[in-house]
Amino acid sequence: NAGVMQNPRHLVRRRGQEARLRCSPMKGHSHVYWYRQLPEEGLKFMVYLQKENIIDESGMPKERFSAEFPKEGPSILRIQQVVRGDSAAYFCASSLTSGGQETQYFGPGTRLLVL
Amino acid sequence: AQSVAQPEDQVNVAEGNPLTVKCTYSVSGNPYLFWYVQYPNRGLQFLLKYITGDNLVKGSYGFEAEFNKSQTSFHLKKPSALVSDSALYFCAVRRVEGGYNKLIFGAGTRLAVHP
Repeated sequence: NAGVMQNPRHLVRRRGQEARLRCSPMKGHSHVYWYRQLPEEGLKFMVYLQKENIIDESGMPKERFSAEFPKEGPSILRIQQVVRGDSAAYFCASSLTSGGQETQYFGPGTRLLVL
Repeated sequence: AQSVAQPEDQVNVAEGNPLTVKCTYSVSGNPYLFWYVQYPNRGLQFLLKYITGDNLVKGSYGFEAEFNKSQTSFHLKKPSALVSDSALYFCAVRRVEGGYNKLIFGAGTRLAVHP
């Protein structure tokens, strides 16, 4: 009964490169959320996706960031032309339904370091 | 707008003593409230949640939290702290009405339990 899987766990990129973060939700979960945690801060919501649909991307920067959750395969958070300010821990969570009372279960995170 | 405040950056407790980690929230309408714990370089683990009903919620590892609507608080408690409870604790809120799915997190409180 695997939990939420994220890879890679650590990612180092130079400024201007692309970062691609993957998230596989818990088995049976079709709702995926991405959050970003800056050092010494709480988590900030970025985007909420269901299979093949972006439901809410209100927390995602308008430029350079994109997310997808295809019919098959993991959810991908993509950051183009990374800058030092993108260095953070990126967490993915999943839930069984979209109900407000549903618990979101978190993956171990991807720690992105931009040099 | 929704918000969560965790007024203490750090809480220090002696092992065996009771602990309280404070959380207050602001949300229009009724809230769903959550506590998560984060160990170093790990993802968030779900502890407990308040949905409706009994104001005292019991969760994992002996933790409990009390929902107080008049004070808009949801403090996390444990009768007897363990050294292994030392971690970063996050309170989160989600609005009940309106189909909002994103969690709004507090900045976190670092709990240090001393032997």
